[in-house]
Amino acid sequence: KNEVEQSPQNLTAQEGEFITINCSYSVGISALHWLQQHPGGGIVSLFMLSSGKKKHGRLIATINIQEKHSSLHITASHPRDSAVYICACRGNQFYFGTGTSLTVIP
Amino acid sequence: DADVTQTPRNRITKTGKRIMLECSQTKGHDRMYWYRQDPGLGLRLIYYSFDVKDINKGEISDGYSVSRQAQAKFSLSLESAIPNQTALYFCATSDPLFGKFFGPGTRLTVL
Repeated sequence: KNEVEQSPQNLTAQEGEFITINCSYSVGISALHWLQQHPGGGIVSLFMLSSGKKKHGRLIATINIQEKHSSLHITASHPRDSAVYICACRGNQFYFGTGTSLTVIP
Repeated sequence: DADVTQTPRNRITKTGKRIMLECSQTKGHDRMYWYRQDPGLGLRLIYYSFDVKDINKGEISDGYSVSRQAQAKFSLSLESAIPNQTALYFCATSDPLFGKFFGPGTRLTVL
């Protein structure tokens, strides 16, 4: 059983498109993280949020605690956004989604 | 300089060999973790430590051991490596307020 489910698993977009990646979870959490893993393998934390919405540049993350759902949005997507995006939930331990592989085509 | 470093970055070894992966952090975080990542699977927790004297097994600890030598250092050992331990290994630290920070990963291949 997967405590964290992400959709879609794979996503291809044209440069400039608005992108949404979804995360649903089934456990009680204190915070949700969105992580970015580049093709070279390194993982970077993009957001940590426990309520509402956060924005960094072209990235926006939202969370709805009642619905146990979070979304990561990328506005004006660019090829350098191509990466795997991972949703991670912090409850009594960390639970990870399997990731969404995003490819942005020029 | 990176906040979380791992050595080595790549390692090829043979079945039965003892391997140690090292992790160091400059974040000053008490909490440290070792994960492995396999294609098609999410990150899976091997061991974690919330303090120098605290060591806890994760969901896939069999075949692994760890040592928390200091707040800044957390080492993962494979006492007798086997091919299904071929994976990408990540060390991470976390702070409840500031989030989670990952090392660059160690790609381990066991032949």
